[in-house]
Amino acid sequence: GEDVEQSLFLSVREGDSSVINCTYTDSSSTYLYWYKQEPGAGLQLLTYIFSNMDMKQDQRLTVLLNKKDKHLSLRIADTQTGDSAIYFCAESTSGTYKYIFGTGTRLKVLA
Amino acid sequence: GAVVSQHPSRVICKSGTSVKIECRSLDFQATTMFWYRQFPKQSLMLMATSNEGSKATYEQGVEKDKFLINHASLTLSTLTVTSAHPEDSSFYICSARGTGGSFQETQYFGPGTRLLVL
Repeated sequence: GEDVEQSLFLSVREGDSSVINCTYTDSSSTYLYWYKQEPGAGLQLLTYIFSNMDMKQDQRLTVLLNKKDKHLSLRIADTQTGDSAIYFCAESTSGTYKYIFGTGTRLKVLA
Repeated sequence: GAVVSQHPSRVICKSGTSVKIECRSLDFQATTMFWYRQFPKQSLMLMATSNEGSKATYEQGVEKDKFLINHASLTLSTLTVTSAHPEDSSFYICSARGTGGSFQETQYFGPGTRLLVL
């Protein structure tokens, strides 16, 4: 079945850039998402990208998509302590509306 | 826009009782709502997909008689955990998908409900 993988942990210093990676197996993926989850809270949509795009930038966030390698990344510029959270990537296929979530990456920002 | 609420945020109940969790889309109509369960330090596990006015579709391994889902309106879905037991203790999160434009393909998540069964 479809699978979405992420590294479990990432630690960066405040002010540095963070890059969170995600790989997926479903070649028919149409939409790819990044969500942020803070402790004890739900998921906050950060950004999403259509599969026919290579890059999307939104303020401090840059999403890169390599469809050939089925690799998605989220770059957070000037990482702040408030960015410490778990980041989930998710993919869906148009028409199914169901997400396949990654395992989540716990980002820790050191002051 | 695209705000989803859940109530209650936290509930503690005795074993054998039933607990109802509400999920509401506050500023859009939700064609479809999803119910997830999340164990500590793990990803989200989809339990069921709920479409307004029809029966929910449950994922494999999820007991439909145990987890009753009702989606009676375009803004409200409920999950009832019947005869709850300690192993049902978990973090339950709902999400909603709207209609048209970016609402159609994107799920917007509620803040979650933490259930503790004693």
